[in-house]
Amino acid sequence: QKEVEQNSGPLSVPEGAIASLNCTYSDRGSQSFFWYRQYSGKSPELIMFIYSNGDKEDGRFTAQLNKASQYVSLLIRDSQPSDSATYLCAVPGTAGGTSYGKLTFGQGTILTVHP
Amino acid sequence: SAVISQKPSRDICQRGTSLTIQCQVDSQVTMMFWYRQQPGQSLTLIATANQGSEATYESGFVIDKFPISRPNLTFSTLTVSNMSPEDSSIYLCSLLAGGETQYFGPGTRLLVL
Repeated sequence: QKEVEQNSGPLSVPEGAIASLNCTYSDRGSQSFFWYRQYSGKSPELIMFIYSNGDKEDGRFTAQLNKASQYVSLLIRDSQPSDSATYLCAVPGTAGGTSYGKLTFGQGTILTVHP
Repeated sequence: SAVISQKPSRDICQRGTSLTIQCQVDSQVTMMFWYRQQPGQSLTLIATANQGSEATYESGFVIDKFPISRPNLTFSTLTVSNMSPEDSSIYLCSLLAGGETQYFGPGTRLLVL
């Protein structure tokens, strides 16, 4: 069974610092990885996704994949207090299989950015 | 991306009753999903709802407890039947858009007393 693991934190960083969030996955065949941000009392919001063919940068966010060690990272540069949220890593089922589209989530990492 | 709405946004229910949650999308989508997020926990997939076929349930979830309808490509309902306090959760619908990208509705916050 596909497993996704995250350090639940909380992770606390000062404003302006780099926040580094990690996620490990069990299925070596996983090809894509998603990062969601969830503010308290809100639903998850997609902020980033990467495929197994490389890292991705979008503004202050960078997602990196280490296939050999089976982990994916999300880096948030110049962290702001508004980045304080729970960050969820998710891995979808394999395309063409019965689990296509189904997301397996990690338990989420709580990030706090303090002024 | 598509706009997803859910009704009700929250509810407080008595044990033994049932609640039907509606999920409406402003465009046609093939695959919709229902997730549960228990207090302080991550999201767990309940079932996949495709139009024109019966919902497929994940391990630990059964149709009698969580009947799902998908009458067309823009709408789905999830019923939480014979509720107990353990059913207190956030229930979220989601849709698949652009390959594997998945977007979530605002959620329904359910408290069972």
